[in-house]
Amino acid sequence: GENVEQHPSTLSVQEGDSAVIKCTYSDSASNYFPWYKQELGKGPQLIIDIRSNVGEKKDQRIAVTLNKTAKHFSLHITETQPEDSAVYFCAVREGGSYIPTFGRGTSLIVHP
Amino acid sequence: NAGVTQTPKFQVLKTGQSMTLQCAQDMNHNSMYWYRQDPGMGLRLIYYSASEGTTDKGEVPNGYNVSRLNKREFSLRLESAAPSQTSVYFCASSGARGYYEQYFGPGTRLTVT
Repeated sequence: GENVEQHPSTLSVQEGDSAVIKCTYSDSASNYFPWYKQELGKGPQLIIDIRSNVGEKKDQRIAVTLNKTAKHFSLHITETQPEDSAVYFCAVREGGSYIPTFGRGTSLIVHP
Repeated sequence: NAGVTQTPKFQVLKTGQSMTLQCAQDMNHNSMYWYRQDPGMGLRLIYYSASEGTTDKGEVPNGYNVSRLNKREFSLRLESAAPSQTSVYFCASSGARGYYEQYFGPGTRLTVT
């Protein structure tokens, strides 16, 4: 089955810095790559996703890049703010599957 | 739209007790899921229901049963709770197989003593 590795497990930055979280996967058939943000005491919420026919996608301060050859994709957050502090999960899904495989999460801490 | 709702929010059980976690969605989604979340382990799939009338095991199904009551509701039952089932449980739903995002409920924090 699919194996997803997410790094780092913890990331501490100063407000205004950029943050990058990286995930690698094993199944070359995977073609949908969402990122979720989980705030304390809440369920995960989708913040951005990318499909295999696209190399990069941006939404304001967040972006995701995908390298299908190397089988990795990354979440980039620019101009971080304290409200960006949360746990971020990557996931990988093969288009015909009901089941995504999640990374183990990255705890992002943004210091004011 | 309420999205995905879960009850209860918190529960404490003694070892051997049983309980059912309830989940409902109002987005007319076909697929529903139950996950557990433990520190450092991410989200692990317990059971899922691809469509009304079907259920399948996920990664960690032992000790759990599920019922897809109708298109809206998907319940998770612990028949004889064990301390190893202490966790936060999330229900999720999605439109169909393929690219559709999952929508998660707020979670149930369960402690088994």
